[in-house]
Amino acid sequence: EDQVTQSPEALRLQEGESSSLNCSYTVSGLRGLFWYRQDPGKGPEFLFTLYSAGEEKEKERLKATLTKKESFLHITAPKPEDSATYLCAVGGVETSGSRLTFGEGTQLTVNP
Amino acid sequence: KAGVTQTPRYLIKTRGQQVTLSCSPISGHRSVSWYQQTPGQGLQFLFEYFSETQRNKGNFPGRFSGRQFSNSRSEMNVSTLELGDSALYLCASRQVSGGLHEQYFGPGTRLTVT
Repeated sequence: EDQVTQSPEALRLQEGESSSLNCSYTVSGLRGLFWYRQDPGKGPEFLFTLYSAGEEKEKERLKATLTKKESFLHITAPKPEDSATYLCAVGGVETSGSRLTFGEGTQLTVNP
Repeated sequence: KAGVTQTPRYLIKTRGQQVTLSCSPISGHRSVSWYQQTPGQGLQFLFEYFSETQRNKGNFPGRFSGRQFSNSRSEMNVSTLELGDSALYLCASRQVSGGLHEQYFGPGTRLTVT
């Protein structure tokens, strides 16, 4: 059974204070790892897809990296508008189609 | 391109009733998946539809069902509602091609069962 654990559960940063969010996963074979951002009362917004260890993706102040056991979402010089819950999800070879296993998320608050 | 749309956005139902939720995927996306999101369990996969056929099912009771129409729009139905069914129901669509590609989520339907 695929498993995803995200840490920390909550993170409070000052504007400009860089940090990283962790996503540890257990899958029999990774088909893809996804990062989403979710604002209160809204659906998750797609950020990145990573497929293999060593892969990195960047978008504005966010950078996602992947190893064989975990993924990191690095946030550089965050702004208050980066405040949201960040979700990590995996699709493994034992599941087919669109089925993803999600972590509980990290709730990020960036204070001005 | 318009995103995934879901209707209604909010619903209040009574225990024992049934409910139908609707989802219109992004144009050109033929796969539609449904997820349930609750504070205690997080996001959990319900089922996926592609070409009007259920391709994948999560660990939910038979009270949860769905269908997909020829235009890829999808509905999910929950019968005999229980208090524990109160949740945000999310629909996601994706293009179907080789490999596992990203899904795009709608805004969700907030269901409250009283």
